[in-house]
Amino acid sequence: KAGVTQTPRYLIKTRGQQVTLSCSPISGHRSVSWYQQTPGQGLQFLFEYFSETQRNKGNFPGRFSGRQFSNSRSEMNVSTLELGDSALYLCASSSMTGTEAFFGQGTRLTVV
Amino acid sequence: KNEVEQSPQNLTAQEGEFITINCSYSVGISALHWLQQHPGGGIVSLFMLSSGKKKHGRLIATINIQEKHSSLHITASHPRDSAVYICAADTDKLIFGTGTRLQVFP
Repeated sequence: KAGVTQTPRYLIKTRGQQVTLSCSPISGHRSVSWYQQTPGQGLQFLFEYFSETQRNKGNFPGRFSGRQFSNSRSEMNVSTLELGDSALYLCASSSMTGTEAFFGQGTRLTVV
Repeated sequence: KNEVEQSPQNLTAQEGEFITINCSYSVGISALHWLQQHPGGGIVSLFMLSSGKKKHGRLIATINIQEKHSSLHITASHPRDSAVYICAADTDKLIFGTGTRLQVFP
């Protein structure tokens, strides 16, 4: 069965712009979590969605938001981009919270 | 102090050596994950464990809940094992260690 698919794989944006990243989970998985990975901070939890509801949120400013659709696909949005938002953004899906997570290949965002 | 600590940060080994990576955590967990990340960024889940020991091929993961400590062992290491290994504490979200960069030379 197909794995977790993230699009796009690479993205270059300018400061002040906004960006939307997409994550398609494994078929049948209802939980999608998002993570940011930077060289300085490592991997950090952004938020988790389950059945279209945000279950949990990490310590990120309100510029970071997300949503999940009825087919479990999820998007995350970052508004008013800053240079420090340059990172690898990973999503992971699982059948439900607390079960094994399967990660996508990530979207590498560069803000210039 | 980080809630999840890993050691060592970097590890170099010769092919065939036995490898141990350690992870200590200070939070209450429902499970502990071991992940592998290759250059390019993709992450693969190796183990999810809440007690005892799990084995998959040459990889073994153990956890001691009382001591809040987990280890990942690689037996008969191979250059293809070269990657970053990350442990993550599963609370109501994943809290990650900083990773261990492993290089295995032929």
